Amino acid sequence: NAGVTQTPKFQVLKTGQSMTLQCAQDMNHEYMSWYRQDPGMGLRLIHYSVGAGITDQGEVPNGYNVSRSTTEDFPLRLLSAAPSQTSVYFCASFRDGTGELFFGEGSRLTVL
Amino acid sequence: AQSVTQLDSQVPVFEEAPVELRCNYSSSVSVYLFWYVQYPNQGLQLLLKYLSGSTLVKGINGFEAEFNKSQTSFHLRKPSVHISDTAEYFCAVTKIQGAQKLVFGQGTRLTINP
Repeated sequence: NAGVTQTPKFQVLKTGQSMTLQCAQDMNHEYMSWYRQDPGMGLRLIHYSVGAGITDQGEVPNGYNVSRSTTEDFPLRLLSAAPSQTSVYFCASFRDGTGELFFGEGSRLTVL
Repeated sequence: AQSVTQLDSQVPVFEEAPVELRCNYSSSVSVYLFWYVQYPNQGLQLLLKYLSGSTLVKGINGFEAEFNKSQTSFHLRKPSVHISDTAEYFCAVTKIQGAQKLVFGQGTRLTINP
């Protein structure tokens, strides 16, 4: 049972480059989300989706884009990377009725 | 809006000693409360949760937490810790309507010394 799978695990970008962090879940969860984790700040919600075709902004959406064409996939796009986007990114899906988020293992991004 | 404050950024304890990690929350509506654990270089996993019912909640690995509505707290406890409990612990809150949008605290790094 794979759960939530994120790729890549590590990435180094130069300022201004673009990239996509991939996230897939095999639990048929409707709700998926992206968080970023920074030291001393916990996890902050970037974007979330309540189902295919529906996305919305979280607490820190600027500089990021998302789409949800299928239930399984929820990619996060960085349009023009900035050093402030250096962080660890976590994708999560939500199991209805339990209040539980299931997290991927994270993607560590460094922007030079 | 909901918010969470974890009162200690780092907690060092000796092996087999008891530990308490403190969490206070703020919300104008009823909430669900969670503790997640993150082992080094891994994602987060659920330790325990309070949705309703008994205010004393038991989780995995011998941890428990008590929901105190009057003090808006959800402190995590373990009577005797092990080296393997070394990790970062996150308290999280969400309102019951729209329960998917968890708000996390800043995290508490628990270090167990032999």
